Amino acid sequence: NAGVTQTPKFRVLKTGQSMTLLCAQDMNHEYMYWYRQDPGMGLRLIHYSVGEGTTAKGEVPDGYNVSRLKKQNFLLGLESAAPSQTSVYFCASSYFAGEGNEQFFGPGTRLTVL
Amino acid sequence: GDSVTQMEGPVTLSEEAFLTINCTYTATGYPSLFWYVQYPGEGLQLLLKATKADDKGSNKGFEATYRKETTSFHLEKGSVQVSDSAVYFCALFWISNYQLIWGAGTKLIIKP
Repeated sequence: NAGVTQTPKFRVLKTGQSMTLLCAQDMNHEYMYWYRQDPGMGLRLIHYSVGEGTTAKGEVPDGYNVSRLKKQNFLLGLESAAPSQTSVYFCASSYFAGEGNEQFFGPGTRLTVL
Repeated sequence: GDSVTQMEGPVTLSEEAFLTINCTYTATGYPSLFWYVQYPGEGLQLLLKATKADDKGSNKGFEATYRKETTSFHLEKGSVQVSDSAVYFCALFWISNYQLIWGAGTKLIIKP
């Protein structure tokens, strides 16, 4: 049982390049989330999904797109990377979204945009 | 809007010292409250939670009590160990928008 996995672990991009971050979970969770973590700011929600085939915007969605074609996978895309997108990206999943909801996190992807 | 405020770090303590990390929140109603911990190089993991006023969450020697009257959820541990060195995040959850609202995190350094 791997939990939540993320690929890649590290990536360096040049401004304007594109990339896709992959998140996979093997816990059969309905809900999945993408966050970014910046120093002194805690985590901010980029996009989330409440089930296969659904996506919704979070707090900071601009410059990112997502897809949830399969229940176990949640992809985060950067179409034209900018230096402001340098951050650590975390994927998380949860079984439900009720009281006491626990989110399970992947190990993170450290992205640098030059 | 809803927000979470944590004490700024880093917090540096000696082993076996008493720990308090303050967390206060602003929200309408009664959200669920959480403490997550992030060990170096890892993702976040749930440490403890409380879903209603006066609930006490506890795990691994850590405790936090949901105080509605002071809108607080302070994290405490009686005797810290070097292995407790990590970043601790306070968060609140609103089911209405599926979002966890996070504090900025508090880095804890325990010296032997």
